[in-house]
Amino acid sequence: GEDVEQSLFLSVREGDSSVINCTYTDSSSTYLYWYKQEPGAGLQLLTYIFSNMDMKQDQRLTVLLNKKDKHLSLRIADTQTGDSAIYFCAESRSRDDKIIFGKGTRLHILP
Amino acid sequence: DAGVTQSPTHLIKTRGQQVTLRCSPKSGHDTVSWYQQALGQGPQFIFQYYEEEERQRGNFPDRFSGHQYPNYSSELNVNALLLGDSALYLCASSYPSQTQYFGPGTRLLVL
Repeated sequence: GEDVEQSLFLSVREGDSSVINCTYTDSSSTYLYWYKQEPGAGLQLLTYIFSNMDMKQDQRLTVLLNKKDKHLSLRIADTQTGDSAIYFCAESRSRDDKIIFGKGTRLHILP
Repeated sequence: DAGVTQSPTHLIKTRGQQVTLRCSPKSGHDTVSWYQQALGQGPQFIFQYYEEEERQRGNFPDRFSGHQYPNYSSELNVNALLLGDSALYLCASSYPSQTQYFGPGTRLLVL
């Protein structure tokens, strides 16, 4: 079956690193994504990783993939107030195939 | 270059009514997918249209139907609305084998 699980809430102090974790079940997943959704807004694609990679870095964002354990993580370095949002982990079998989303992790930034 | 656009932005309907939501894909994109995001949940795949045909369908009843026009724009129709159909409806467009881009969504409230 296809399922994506992630913790629902994370609280981090401004300036610290945030790490959001996700597990998925579909072994045929080829693309794994992280989306950001701010209140009342649509979905913004932050980054994605192809399943034959184990790490991808893009400025403050680092994605780690453990394909054996079907575990994906997103690290946000130097977390800022503008990072406060809901982060969705998602997967698909190809880039234009249906995307299966988790329920989202709400990131709360403490001053 | 306009991104994915959706109309209307907000809509209020009553139970039993019918609704039509519209999506214009990003320039050059010919594939349109629709997702439903209930409050506090991740988006769920409804269906995907390519070359004016429904190519994939998620686990949604027949009350949900769609259409794609020759210019690649798409409509989502929902008949016999239920309170549980209240959600943010997201449209995503892509070119074959390319990343999907999401629109801002239409927020539907069923009273």
